Order: sequence, then C-alpha cells, then structure tokens
Amino acid sequence: GESVGLHLPTLSVQEGDNSIINCAYSNSASDYFIWYKQESGKGPQFIIDIRSNMDKRQGQRVTVLLNKTVKHLSLQIAATQPGDSAVYFCADSNAGNMLTFGGGTRLMVKP
Amino acid sequence: EPEVTQTPSHQVTQMGQEVILRCVPISNHLYFYWYRQILGQKVEFLVSFYNNEISEKSEIFDDQFSVERPDGSNFTLKIRSTKLEDSAMYFCATSGGTGELFFGEGSRLTVL
Repeated sequence: GESVGLHLPTLSVQEGDNSIINCAYSNSASDYFIWYKQESGKGPQFIIDIRSNMDKRQGQRVTVLLNKTVKHLSLQIAATQPGDSAVYFCADSNAGNMLTFGGGTRLMVKP
Repeated sequence: EPEVTQTPSHQVTQMGQEVILRCVPISNHLYFYWYRQILGQKVEFLVSFYNNEISEKSEIFDDQFSVERPDGSNFTLKIRSTKLEDSAMYFCATSGGTGELFFGEGSRLTVL
C-alpha cells in the first residue's frame, strides 16, 4: 500500500448507505491482498482477502475488488452500520512474504 | 475464538532502558510477526519469524531489536536501549501459513 502520512483520508456515510474504500498498491508482484479494520485502541481485524487470480470476492456485507492493471483495490461495505466506523487498511504481500500496509482510510458512519 | 494475546498492554519506560514485549500466538500457528504503528500512522512491518529464526526484517528492525521464542510458546520482542522514536503501538501477528495474519490487541510503548 501507499503511505498517506499523518492525515487519514476520511469517508463519511449515512447509516444504511453503501461505502466504498479505495486503496492503491505499488508492488506489481503482489499476489495476496487483505482488508483490515482497526477500531480505536485495538489491533487490525481481518475483514476479507483476495488472491491475484481473482478480481472479486464477496463476504458477508463486504466485497473486495482487485484491478491488477492499475494496482487498485477496493472494499465495498453494503448497508453501512455505526459499528463499521473504524480505520480501514489494505495490505498486500508477495509469495507469502511480509504484509505491507497502506495508509488507511477512516470511515465515519452518521446515524 | 482463538486469539493472539499480548502483554503488557501499556508500558512506560525511560529512554535507554530495555523493554520486552510478549506475545502468545494462536496455538497451531507457526509464523510470527511484529509490526508497529506510530500514533496516527500506518502499520509498519518489523520482522517475521519462522522455525526459530528470522525470515525477514525491515530497515526499522536494527541492532537494537531482537526476537525470540524462548519457551516454545511466548514470542518476544526486545528493544535493548529505547529511544523516544520507539514510542508506538507494537502488534504481534501470527499465521497458520495461509497468508492471513491474526493480530493481537497491541502493546503501547511510551518512551520518556
């Protein structure tokens, strides 16, 4: 992922709306991608992953889209809830090596 | 649900002091990692550990850092002589080899 320094981009959505969080990665050799959710004062929590042989994967209320051509990853959250408020990080790795995290996006859900 | 456990949750230390952070991995996991997160910044890789040796480390993981698994259960990160810039949240993560990392709740280190 790419670093965005101290200022986190913020996405503010209304409860019940869909959210789309985007991430760019830099390593074209990356073959494994994960989205993590981090609530304040807690460790990263796994949401969903995708391997490079796929371009879409769905979980419960979440979908990850991978565009290897432009090295872009997105996380879609359906029917966003207040409990979804957190910082979301994408991470990528190559051949089982270390995960590299992106800078994170703060999702704020308005009731 | 199995989880990664880290201690202490918060440690305050004086600059120059040694610090040991401890992690109890998920029981059948064999791959261990330390990451750190300076307040407000992204999660940064420090080191990975497999089969009782370091498999990969970042530029951050200099000679002041070391890891070991002394008793086959705890996985520790030692900082020999802490600096102000070592203040951060340190996360242990473990994996069963699928690529998915499970993170602990973190140990907050404050260096004064």
